[in-house]
Amino acid sequence: GNSVTQMEGPVTLSEEAFLTINCTYTATGYPSLFWYVQYPGEGLQLLLKATKADDKGSNKGFEATYRKETTSFHLEKGSVQVSDSAVYFCALRSGDYKLSFGAGTTVTVRA
Amino acid sequence: DADVTQTPRNRITKTGKRIMLECSQTKGHDRMYWYRQDPGLGLRLIYYSFDVKDINKGEISDGYSVSRQAQAKFSLSLESAIPNQTALYFCATSDSAVRGSYTFGSGTRLTVV
Repeated sequence: GNSVTQMEGPVTLSEEAFLTINCTYTATGYPSLFWYVQYPGEGLQLLLKATKADDKGSNKGFEATYRKETTSFHLEKGSVQVSDSAVYFCALRSGDYKLSFGAGTTVTVRA
Repeated sequence: DADVTQTPRNRITKTGKRIMLECSQTKGHDRMYWYRQDPGLGLRLIYYSFDVKDINKGEISDGYSVSRQAQAKFSLSLESAIPNQTALYFCATSDSAVRGSYTFGSGTRLTVV
C-alpha cells in the first residue's frame, strides 16, 4: 500500500535559518505529492504540490521537488520566519484520489 | 463563511455515549472525507464518500459510522465513544473533475472521558 515517511520533529530554528524537512514515499503507480501546513488551532492548508516527476512545487518561499528516483519530496525554505511555526505534513494521492499522510513535523521558529 | 464547516469545534463526552460530528461544504465538491489526527501518527482516513450513494471504509473505520445526507453534508458518528477515540477530527472535500487539492475544515477536537 501507499505510505509516507517524514522526518520526526520537533524542529526548532532561529529566524532566517535554513529549513529542510525530509519526506520519502512508497506508492504504486505515479502519485501526486503534497505538503500541507497546519498553523496552531487551524485546519490543514495546502502549501505546495507536484504532480509528476521532476516537478517543483513552490509557495511562500517554500520549495519541494518530486524525485522519482529517490522517491522523495523534501521541503525546503531558505530563510524561515517566526510565522512559519506550524506542523508540516507530507502527503501523497494515489489514483483513487485518497490522501495518505506522513506523521507530521512540528517546526518552531524563534526570534 | 468557511468553505468546509465542522460542528462542534470542541466536544467533551463520556464513555459509552453516542456522538455525531457534522460537516457541511459550500465548495460544490462531490467527494468528502473524514480523518482523525493523533500526535505522531499524522492523519488517518476513517471514511470517504465519492458521492451521495457511494460510501467507503478507510483504514480505521471500526467504531465509527457515517452518513452522507446530501452532496454538501457528511456526518461522522461514534456509536459508543471510548477514550482512545479522543483525537482531532477533520472533514475534507475534493472535486473528482479536477486533479487538485483537498479543502479541509478547521477540525473538531473530541475528548472522551
